[in-house]
Amino acid sequence: GDSVTQMEGPVTLSEEAFLTINCTYTATGYPSLFWYVQYPGEGLQLLLKATKADDKGSNKGFEATYRKETTSFHLEKGSVQVSDSAVYFCALSDGNTGNQFYFGTGTSLTVIP
Amino acid sequence: KAGVTQTPRYLIKTRGQQVTLSCSPISGHRSVSWYQQTPGQGLQFLFEYFSETQRNKGNFPGRFSGRQFSNSRSEMNVSTLELGDSALYLCASSPSGSVGGYTFGSGTRLTVV
Repeated sequence: GDSVTQMEGPVTLSEEAFLTINCTYTATGYPSLFWYVQYPGEGLQLLLKATKADDKGSNKGFEATYRKETTSFHLEKGSVQVSDSAVYFCALSDGNTGNQFYFGTGTSLTVIP
Repeated sequence: KAGVTQTPRYLIKTRGQQVTLSCSPISGHRSVSWYQQTPGQGLQFLFEYFSETQRNKGNFPGRFSGRQFSNSRSEMNVSTLELGDSALYLCASSPSGSVGGYTFGSGTRLTVV
């Protein structure tokens, strides 16, 4: 079945450091891939998405490239800020299984000044 | 434009009771999905409704049910509550259920004691 494996956290970085959160997936079809962010006490916000192989999603300085050959969708940011502290979820949706999302376990990021 | 509204934000119930959670989607959105978020299991899909019909259902016991009204508002019900039902319940809406177009609410935090 479909699944997402995400880098374990928590991750603690200094401000302006480079961020990578690894995400790999298993899917039976041709999934769309997503990164969501959750701030304390809030729901999920869509950060970026990619719907086909080699697509790059980007938003607010974050980027992720859909790599079909390695079944990966790693999240990167060149210079993190304190305001980026949150939990990040990698997710996929496979049209073969309807519109549901399969989420990774989430990676908690703390950025210290 | 108002976002997805979930009520109540917090709820405390006793084992064996039942509970109803409400979700008001963004105006014009016809698809509503529900997810359960727990520290142990992460984010798990409950069900999706589109135009008052359940289109997809996750792997949860029959104690979990839902419905959607003609105005697209949705409710989910959990009967015979168990301690393990304590979770954040998230609702997401989309214009047509197309993946990538989902907006999440802030969730209802249910505590079963």
